[in-house]
Amino acid sequence: DVKVTQSSRYLVKRTGEKVFLECVQDMDHENMFWYRQDPGLGLRLIYFSYDVKMKEKGDIPEGYSVSREKKERFSLILESASTNQTSMYLCASSRGTGRGTYEQYFGPGTRLTVT
Amino acid sequence: DQQVKQNSPSLSVQEGRISILNCDYTNSMFDYFLWYKKYPAEGPTFLISISSIKDKNEDGRFTVFLNKSAKHLSLHIVPSQPGDSAVYFCAARAWDSNYQLIWGAGTKLIIKP
Repeated sequence: DVKVTQSSRYLVKRTGEKVFLECVQDMDHENMFWYRQDPGLGLRLIYFSYDVKMKEKGDIPEGYSVSREKKERFSLILESASTNQTSMYLCASSRGTGRGTYEQYFGPGTRLTVT
Repeated sequence: DQQVKQNSPSLSVQEGRISILNCDYTNSMFDYFLWYKKYPAEGPTFLISISSIKDKNEDGRFTVFLNKSAKHLSLHIVPSQPGDSAVYFCAARAWDSNYQLIWGAGTKLIIKP
């Protein structure tokens, strides 16, 4: 069973704080993704990584950065949190090659509130 | 520019009846489509998928239909059960993309007893 875990389920931070969201997967997947989910907007891709130390911007990378130092871990960093970054953050992983490559497996999400 | 559209924000269906969730897309480069189910406070879970070379894929109570000429796909759930109440997301992958999926906004399905 694929397991994707996220460091916090709920987080409350103040405007201007630096925020770290951690994600770990245990299935040796090459690809990892960070999304945010907002009502009526579906899932929007922030960043993804297809290998250690490799990253690519998604649709809404502004205000975020990522780090992937180990294959199983993908971190999302909010350099200076703002209230418009209040959202549900979802981490996902998928295989790099072979059958089922496109299926992404998600963590439980982190509900971040910035006040 | 929404490439994947789920035009119904919500849908209410009687338990035991058929639920039909719809998804439209605009990008002709999409070659693989997926449906995910999401409960509140949980991450989405993969439900069923279909390749663009097929027009139907079935898995138990769930069937996905793809109409390429209309750029439309639908998810049928028969019979609908209370546990099916969730938000359903349609997602698509373009053949030239780098493992990215493009997501619809989701449809909230409510199964009435």
